[in-house]
Formats: sequence, C-alpha cells, structure tokens
Amino acid sequence: AQSVAQPEDQVNVAEGNPLTVKCTYSVSGNPYLFWYVQYPNRGLQFLLKYITGDNLVKGSYGFEAEFNKSQTSFHLKKPSALVSDSALYFCAVRGNDYKLSFGAGTTVTVRA
Amino acid sequence: DAGVTQSPTHLIKTRGQQVTLRCSPKSGHDTVSWYQQALGQGPQFIFQYYEEEERQRGNFPDRFSGHQFPNYSSELNVNALLLGDSALYLCASSLGGFNEQFFGPGTRLTVL
Repeated sequence: AQSVAQPEDQVNVAEGNPLTVKCTYSVSGNPYLFWYVQYPNRGLQFLLKYITGDNLVKGSYGFEAEFNKSQTSFHLKKPSALVSDSALYFCAVRGNDYKLSFGAGTTVTVRA
Repeated sequence: DAGVTQSPTHLIKTRGQQVTLRCSPKSGHDTVSWYQQALGQGPQFIFQYYEEEERQRGNFPDRFSGHQFPNYSSELNVNALLLGDSALYLCASSLGGFNEQFFGPGTRLTVL
C-alpha cells in the first residue's frame, strides 16, 4: 500500500522568509511524487513533479522540491514566501500503477 | 484552452437517492480520474477511466460507478446515497495514466 504523510497541519511564515512544507512517502517500487496547491473553493493546481533524474525539481510560482530517497521525503520549498502563497498544499505519490495517493494537506499562512 | 470542467457546482440530495456528476477533460487529455475529498482531508482516489473502461479502482463500494464517453468526458454515479457521501468530488484529467493530473473545480455534494 502507498501512503503520504504531511506531519504539519499548519505552517506559518512571514512574507519574504523561506517556506518549507514537509512530506514523506511510502510506496512499492519507484516513487512518482507530486505537489498540488488548493485555494478556497477551487480545485487542485499542479505545482511540480518528480519522476526521475535530478533530485531538485523546479516548478510553478517559484516553488521547488527536493527528493531524498534515503529519507523517503519530498519537501516543498520556496526561498521567499509571498502573502499570495497562503493556501492548502498537498503532496501525492504514485507507484507502478495509476492510483494517486494524497496526504492530508498542510495549510500555509504567510503574514505580511 | 479550457481546463477541466465539472457540473454541477453544488448538489443537495437526500439519503437513498442517486446522483450523477459530470466532467469534461482538458483538451488533448484521454484519461479521467475521480476523487472524493471530505472536509479537512486529502483527496481519495475513486477510480480512473481510459478508453471508456475503468482501469483502476480505489477502496470505494460498488455504489460508486462511472462511465467514460468516446469524447473522453466522464460521469460519476453514486447510488443509495449515505450521509457520509457528503464531500467535494474532484475530476482530474491527464494524457495517459502516468502523467500529472489536472483538476477541475469540483462538485460539492451534500447529502441530507
């Protein structure tokens, strides 16, 4: 069975400070990892993915994520957070099938 | 280029009734996946459709069924509604089953 853990329900940072949202995963075989963001009353928006190759993945809106195989982690990062980054963030994993499994989500609040 | 669209936006039903939700994939996409997102939780995979057939199913009862049409659009049907079926139902489309999925805004189902 595959699963995702997002250990922090909430992350609070000041605008301009670095932002990190943590994610660890469990899956059989090679992991395919994704980050999505959800704004209120909206669907999920794709941010970035890791399939293979470079462990540092760059995505939309200045976000990046680092894949760490030994720690089974895929943390989302942004060097300088904006108030507009305040939203609900989901990490997701897929193994060698079609099912995408999501974490419970982390609410990010960026204060001005 | 239209993204993923879903209808209706909101729906209120009573226990025991049946409901049909609709989804049109992003242009060029041939695969549709459905998810249930309960309040405060991450999306849960219901099933995926490709070439008009259910390709993989998550841990949902047979009351949940679907269909994919030749134009790749899809329907989710839920029979014998329970209070616990109240949730946001998300449709996602992709090109093939392994690429990143793009989500629609969702249908909010309330079962009274």
